[in-house]
Amino acid sequence: GAGVSQTPSNKVTEKGKYVELRCDPISGHTALYWYRQSLGQGPEFLIYFQGTGAADDSGLPNDRFFAVRPEGSVSTLKIQRTERGDSAVYLCASSLDGADTQYFGPGTRLTVL
Amino acid sequence: GENVEQHPSTLSVQEGDSAVIKCTYSDSASNYFPWYKQELGKRPQLIIDIRSNVGEKKDQRIAVTLNKTAKHFSLHITETQPEDSAVYFCAAQNTGNQFYFGTGTSLTVIP
Repeated sequence: GAGVSQTPSNKVTEKGKYVELRCDPISGHTALYWYRQSLGQGPEFLIYFQGTGAADDSGLPNDRFFAVRPEGSVSTLKIQRTERGDSAVYLCASSLDGADTQYFGPGTRLTVL
Repeated sequence: GENVEQHPSTLSVQEGDSAVIKCTYSDSASNYFPWYKQELGKRPQLIIDIRSNVGEKKDQRIAVTLNKTAKHFSLHITETQPEDSAVYFCAAQNTGNQFYFGTGTSLTVIP
């Protein structure tokens, strides 16, 4: 079946703009994770959804970052007033129920000029 | 929270030799430990995983060992091949279902 997909694959924006990054998890997966990966680093946890609710958002760096998953499937990561330091690859992953193998999407490379 | 450390950061081996990557974790309640391989510009791909009720797991040329008492786990790749060259990440999952990743090991297999 289809794996995790993310759109767009690349996003270039200017400092101060608003961006939305989308994640389509594997069908039937209730758990969804967002990570940020900077060059030469491992994925850094941002937020974890179980169904429609954010089970843990302790990794969001500040209140400019917000994520939703209104119907328990697709999720959107929203970044307001982008800063150059937000430039990174944003990865999404899903798993069947959270206590299981997680599968990653291809990521969105965000560049803030 | 959980803290995962990974060593070495870079590793070069001759083709056919073995490679070992080690990780330590801090949260004794962590119970699931996957290893991912990430090629340049690609998504992390799961290569092997182990749960806390098992000490060792093997899949062809790849094996993982877990020492719960010492809170460390290791990836072993035998008979390395050039296509094994990539960045490898370890991770630990805690009881809250969060994953914490190591900083990665860049493995180069020299033909």
